Amino acid sequence: GAGVSQTPSNKVTEKGKYVELRCDPISGHTALYWYRQSLGQGPEFLIYFQGTGAADDSGLPNDRFFAVRPEGSVSTLKIQRTERGDSAVYLCASSQTGTVNTGELFFGEGSRLTVL
Amino acid sequence: QKEVEQNSGPLSVPEGAIASLNCTYSDRVSQSFFWYRQYSGKSPELIMSIYSNGDKEDGRFTAQLNKASQYVSLLIRDSQPSDSATYLCAVSRWGKFQFGAGTQVVVTP
Repeated sequence: GAGVSQTPSNKVTEKGKYVELRCDPISGHTALYWYRQSLGQGPEFLIYFQGTGAADDSGLPNDRFFAVRPEGSVSTLKIQRTERGDSAVYLCASSQTGTVNTGELFFGEGSRLTVL
Repeated sequence: QKEVEQNSGPLSVPEGAIASLNCTYSDRVSQSFFWYRQYSGKSPELIMSIYSNGDKEDGRFTAQLNKASQYVSLLIRDSQPSDSATYLCAVSRWGKFQFGAGTQVVVTP
């Protein structure tokens, strides 16, 4: 597709359940980012990939959060044992470079996660 | 201390006036600096990038960077109602982007 695609757009789950959020970046973009945004806040960095490897995962809040990008394209953010505090919009972005001279981040429309 | 700090606003600006937004960052070795605009319920979109000290102009937007003061600003000239949005300051180092909480701008007719 032309832009960053995220699925599902909305996910409602119960506390304690497992959730997967998917991101399909712009074709050819080597860098892929996951952010979390709560109402009235800016995007909070979670993790970014350069190719298949996680270049920086320092933003993952705890070991319930995990992300993969096995073939260097599509990425999945996995959340185990969801908690109500995990409710937020999860944004994915991709970039052509992801290097020192970073270019523009192109964002998807986000996946809104609600944990009841 | 947050890595990127912005006044949350809202900043109310009369139509046709200049909106001035400020941002400070804590990581002295930050390399690249960006302003993103986010409309309510939408995702952020890039409006300006700046990499070296000084001013950079693009249409009605001017970004200013002062690395010694760790300060980035954005001026919006001739503000229009369509400029009403939240403006996010972002700072990157080695490919990692950190965002501020954003400043809400409201342009009043």
